[in-house]
Amino acid sequence: SQQGEEDPQALSIQEGENATMNCSYKTSINNLQWYRQNSGRGLVHLILIRSNEREKHSGRLRVTLDTSKKSSSLLITASRAADTASYFCATVDTNAGKSTFGDGTTLTVKP
Amino acid sequence: GAVVSQHPSRVICKSGTSVKIECRSLDFQATTMFWYRQFPKKSLMLMATSNEGSKATYEQGVEKDKFLINHASLTLSTLTVTSAHPEDSSFYICSAREPRGVSNQPQHFGDGTRLSIL
Repeated sequence: SQQGEEDPQALSIQEGENATMNCSYKTSINNLQWYRQNSGRGLVHLILIRSNEREKHSGRLRVTLDTSKKSSSLLITASRAADTASYFCATVDTNAGKSTFGDGTTLTVKP
Repeated sequence: GAVVSQHPSRVICKSGTSVKIECRSLDFQATTMFWYRQFPKKSLMLMATSNEGSKATYEQGVEKDKFLINHASLTLSTLTVTSAHPEDSSFYICSAREPRGVSNQPQHFGDGTRLSIL
C-alpha cells in the first residue's frame, strides 16, 4: 500500500456538519500537508503541520498529527457546500525531499 | 501568495503529435518544479522533478524520452509529451516550491492541463 492513504475515500454530509478525514503514512517525515482540489483544477495548499507539532488550526480547519501512529486527521467544522472537493494529504520524505500524495477523500457537502 | 501558472489548460490533438506544457512561477523563483499525472478519481503520480539548469530526475517507470522536461530558467519549466498516443491522455499538473527552507514549504500548483489524444 502507498504512503499517504486517506480514509474514507468518499464522505457525504449535510451543510453545517463537521467532516473528518484521516491520513496514514509509512516513512519518517519532515511535515505533512493537506491540500484541496476542486474538480478539474490544481491543488490548493490548506495547512502544513511539522513533525514536532501535534495540532494546528486555520479558520474552520483543524489538523492533528500523531507521529507515533503515523497518522493525521483533517477536521472541517461547520461545513459549507463550497467545501465540496477532494482533499489530499501529502508527506515530505526526510531523505528524498519529495512529496507523496494519498488517493484523497472526496467530500460532498449537501446544501 | 505564490502563484504558479500552467498553460495550456486543455489540449486536444491527434495521435503522433508532440505537446508542450508550460509551468511558470509568477512571483517567486523556483529552483525545483514537479510534474504530476493524475488519473480520474486518483491521486497525483509524481513523474519527474525538474531542476533549474540541470537534468530532470524521473521517477521509476516514466520514460524520459517520452516526457521531455526542460527547466531553463528559475521561473519556467516545460513538459513535452512526444509523439503522444491515446494512452497519454490524462490530467498533467505542475507544482513549484519556494526555495526558503525547502522541505518545510508547501507546493504551489498550476491549474493543470487536460490532455486528450484522439
